Amino acid sequence: QSVLTQPPSVSAAPGQKVTISCSGKTSNIGHNGVSWYQQLPGSAPKVIIDDNNQRPSGIPDRFSGSKSGTSATLVITGLQTGDEADYYCGTWDSSLSAGYVFGTGTKVSVL
Amino acid sequence: EVQLVETGGGLIQPGGSLRLSCAASGITVGINYMSWVRQAPGKGLEWVSTIYSGGATEYAGSVKGRFTISRDTSNNTMYLQMNGLRAEDTAFYYCARRYSGHFDFWGQGTLVTVSS
Repeated sequence: QSVLTQPPSVSAAPGQKVTISCSGKTSNIGHNGVSWYQQLPGSAPKVIIDDNNQRPSGIPDRFSGSKSGTSATLVITGLQTGDEADYYCGTWDSSLSAGYVFGTGTKVSVL
Repeated sequence: EVQLVETGGGLIQPGGSLRLSCAASGITVGINYMSWVRQAPGKGLEWVSTIYSGGATEYAGSVKGRFTISRDTSNNTMYLQMNGLRAEDTAFYYCARRYSGHFDFWGQGTLVTVSS
């Protein structure tokens, strides 16, 4: 049911960088701001990026977001073991009755 | 401090009904956009429904006509009435506040299991 496509998994060693892509279409990413959510095991999701590239209070600058056309990207630098989690992109879809759409989710593993 | 606490989950037979509650503190349900988001065990997130500050409601196609979102401003609580439950409705159900295009506060979730 997810209309935003993400890679299933990415991994890197501690201190390294990972990049997560989120691909959509004009009616969602193309027309609306993208948010990114981090979901630690057994926990509720938490927003870490909103409106494409804005970090909420308390989110370290190791997390950054960007958007271009119908795709968005989350970059995590200086990877830490505590960053192991599932990450989801999300945005509103302007299509009739589509509502809010999430990405398929990406598992980040720290090697 | 904002707290959202979901209750009402449990095991229900296919075709049955269940009402979830989301008790809020630290924010006022009646002047915020409040939503339900669900997550099947081991699967991704799925937006279910939103109730806007003016009372308008919106639903995902997968639940439209079966689920009803509502709120009670006197006890600062949001609800999700779920009828005609199906196995594919099995999920953790989270309540969340929508703010400026994203969900900024989330509850801890309540599990709904639809099975005979």
